[in-house]
Amino acid sequence: GQQVMQIPQYQHVQEGEDFTTYCNSSTTLSNIQWYKQRPGGHPVFLIQLVKSGEVKKQKRLTFQFGEAKKNSSLHITATQTTDVGTYFCAGSFVMRFGAGTRLTVKP
Amino acid sequence: ETGVTQSPTHLIKTRGQQVTLRCSSQSGHNTVSWYQQALGQGPQFIFQYYREEENGRGNFPPRFSGLQFPNYSSELNVNALELDDSALYLCASSRQQGLAHSSYEQYFGPGTRLTVT
Repeated sequence: GQQVMQIPQYQHVQEGEDFTTYCNSSTTLSNIQWYKQRPGGHPVFLIQLVKSGEVKKQKRLTFQFGEAKKNSSLHITATQTTDVGTYFCAGSFVMRFGAGTRLTVKP
Repeated sequence: ETGVTQSPTHLIKTRGQQVTLRCSSQSGHNTVSWYQQALGQGPQFIFQYYREEENGRGNFPPRFSGLQFPNYSSELNVNALELDDSALYLCASSRQQGLAHSSYEQYFGPGTRLTVT
């Protein structure tokens, strides 16, 4: 069945450093969504990508969808302590979530 | 904050018991999906309800069942609880157009933390 893998599992950065998490699927995705879950919280929708090669930006966050629609990435520029949390990608209809990348930021 | 609410917040049950979890979807949303999230893991899709009918199911046994009501609120029922059922149960609502397998922005509730002893 469809598998969605995320790397890295953990990432610890110094405040101000950049951060990137990658999402890879074993099959072509019709679309991909990204969510952020703060410690003790619930997933919060960030964005959805649908088109091959699509790039979307939200302030310091840049989201990309691969040309083959099998991979995606989330890049955060100049991390802040408010970026702390786990970032999940989720692919296609049944929303198969990756295991997430847990980001910690040292002030 | 989303308009999705879940009850109860926490629950402790004994192995073999049955549990019912409830979810009220955001106003205007017609679809509810349920997820199980074990500690340190991503949410695992249990099933989705669209206009009171099951519209997709993940790899969960039949003892996980659900309902959606005319007001689009939903219940998740789990029979014969096992220790491995201990997890955070999340519901997410969305406004879906038709049965076509497409994806829509989901709004998650705060979850119900179930502990099975």
